[in-house]
Amino acid sequence: NAGVTQTPKFQVLKTGQSMTLQCAQDMNHNSMYWYRQDPGMGLRLIYYSASEGTTDKGEVPNGYNVSRLNKREFSLRLESAAPSQTSVYFCASRPHGGGYQETQYFGPGTRLLVL
Amino acid sequence: AQSVAQPEDQVNVAEGNPLTVKCTYSVSGNPYLFWYVQYPNRGLQFLLKYITGDNLVKGSYGFEAEFNKSQTSFHLKKPSALVSDSALYFCAVRATGNQFYFGTGTSLTVIP
Repeated sequence: NAGVTQTPKFQVLKTGQSMTLQCAQDMNHNSMYWYRQDPGMGLRLIYYSASEGTTDKGEVPNGYNVSRLNKREFSLRLESAAPSQTSVYFCASRPHGGGYQETQYFGPGTRLLVL
Repeated sequence: AQSVAQPEDQVNVAEGNPLTVKCTYSVSGNPYLFWYVQYPNRGLQFLLKYITGDNLVKGSYGFEAEFNKSQTSFHLKKPSALVSDSALYFCAVRATGNQFYFGTGTSLTVIP
């Protein structure tokens, strides 16, 4: 199993450009998450999807949209990138039905630089 | 509101010495607590978790953590540090719902 995969690994954008970060998992997990990691801020939740067809806002959703395309894939879109969105983005997935004890599995991250 | 605090940005310890990385939490309801480790340019990897039961939980790579309800703490420990333990460590809590709340991370450096 590849686990959680993310593409691209690194991206440079100009202010105002748009892009989509892709995430896929092959573990048949129900829940998927998007986080951003900034120095001194830890991980902050952008959006999550508890199951196929549902999405919910997290702590910092402004400027982002998500799509849960199917059970495997959960994409994050920046419609008009801003320098404040320069960050490392992590996707994670989690089994559902195992209760609160189930942990998250993380992808390798996407480094995004917005100029 | 749920939150996690890691009061130390940086912890330095000599190889072979015991290490402690601190975490305190604030949740309504029963806490479900997790520790993750992040190596440079990698995603987070699960180390251990506390759900219920014994206050001392053991995890991967010789790490353990002690849950203290009265002090609302979940400190990560290891009896003898290795240079390879040098990494960024995150504490996380889940209470109700699907969301996890992460601390700001503690950078651990083990000095040879």
